[in-house]
Amino acid sequence: DTGVSQDPRHKITKRGQNVTFRCDPISEHNRLYWYRQTLGQGPEFLTYFQNEAQLEKSRLLSDRFSAERPKGSFSTLEIQRTEQGDSAMYLCASSERGPSLGYTFGSGTRLTVV
Amino acid sequence: AQKITQTQPGMFVQEKEAVTLDCTYDTSDPSYGLFWYKQPSSGEMIFLIYQGSYDQQNATEGRYSLNFQKARKSANLVISASQLGDSAMYFCAMREGEVTGGGNKLTFGTGTQLKVEL
Repeated sequence: DTGVSQDPRHKITKRGQNVTFRCDPISEHNRLYWYRQTLGQGPEFLTYFQNEAQLEKSRLLSDRFSAERPKGSFSTLEIQRTEQGDSAMYLCASSERGPSLGYTFGSGTRLTVV
Repeated sequence: AQKITQTQPGMFVQEKEAVTLDCTYDTSDPSYGLFWYKQPSSGEMIFLIYQGSYDQQNATEGRYSLNFQKARKSANLVISASQLGDSAMYFCAMREGEVTGGGNKLTFGTGTQLKVEL
């Protein structure tokens, strides 16, 4: 297992279009997280899955955003009707259950809305 | 109120010197964990070190150590013998609710950009 994979690495889209990102976590990790990072800021939490259950969503996750993890393995994050303010790095992370373990982050998907 | 505060937007250090990156936090939860991550220009977040709120000793991982002062709510990262490859953005983060088997989300600070010079 080579870590957390995210696809695509970069996405440029026109305002109003829909985009979907994919995250493949480390196979034995049952927890999966999505974060958003804008320039000059730290990552901000979006949502969290334990297996296939979405257990928490940030209020940052407007109704244009939806995330799924249908079989408890990979996850997708979809943004509908993209806006320029959605331009950011979208980071996925996974972890095992346990308080002392760090998350393993993917390299992120950089979204640019033009 | 900010949960994680990193007051140094940028720091410079000479190669082989030690550097301290500041982090203060705010929580009323007695059970929490503090993390430091490194983010190079390539974008990935690399886990460096963890300190639990009930840990009696400061965490150390190789050249990284965490100066944990619970009463002051500070968790400064110390990097000893800086190397050119340490140049990166460094983020402090907190996870609350550790006793329940691991909380979920990490709350990050705004980061400190470290530049190691020859």
